[in-house]
Amino acid sequence: NAGVTQTPKFRVLKTGQSMTLLCAQDMNHEYMYWYRQDPGMGLRLIHYSVGEGTTAKGEVPDGYNVSRLKKQNFLLGLESAAPSQTSVYFCATYSTGLGNTEAFFGQGTRLTVV
Amino acid sequence: SQKIEQNSEALNIQEGKTATLTCNYTNYSPAYLQWYRQDPGRGPVFLLLIRENEKEKRKERLKVTFDTTLKQSLFHITASQPADSATYLCALDRGSTLGRLYFGRGTQLTVWP
Repeated sequence: NAGVTQTPKFRVLKTGQSMTLLCAQDMNHEYMYWYRQDPGMGLRLIHYSVGEGTTAKGEVPDGYNVSRLKKQNFLLGLESAAPSQTSVYFCATYSTGLGNTEAFFGQGTRLTVV
Repeated sequence: SQKIEQNSEALNIQEGKTATLTCNYTNYSPAYLQWYRQDPGRGPVFLLLIRENEKEKRKERLKVTFDTTLKQSLFHITASQPADSATYLCALDRGSTLGRLYFGRGTQLTVWP
């Protein structure tokens, strides 16, 4: 039972390159989220999904795209990376069971764009 | 837009004392307020949740209070230990989309022996 797994853990990109971050969960949660965390700032929501085949924009969606083709996977894409996208990215799922409402986070992906 | 402030970036206390962390919010009232712990290089880990109609919640050495009039939550760690050293994050869920959390910047707690 791995919980929430992010791939890769580290990545260095050149400006203009593209990449996809993968988030996989084995908890059968409907809700999944992508956040970014920057020094001195709280976690900020990029995109989220409330179920397979659905996606929605969060606070800071520009420059990112997402897809949720399967319930267990949530992909975050950067089409043309920019230095401003240097950050630590966290995927999370949300449990909404009775009396048990909490987010489960992956270990993070540290992305550097040079 | 939702704004969440955690009163200090860093808090240093001696082992055995009670650590008190503050979270203030503006604008929208949350349906839930949550506290997470984050260790360096790791993702946040859920600690406690308190609902808008609850005043206080406890879990072992942890206690959370919620004052919707003051728009403030206090997070207490009693009998603190060096192992409690971490960054603690406050997060609001407005309830409009469950799990869409608004986070504070966090307070880095250091407990020294």
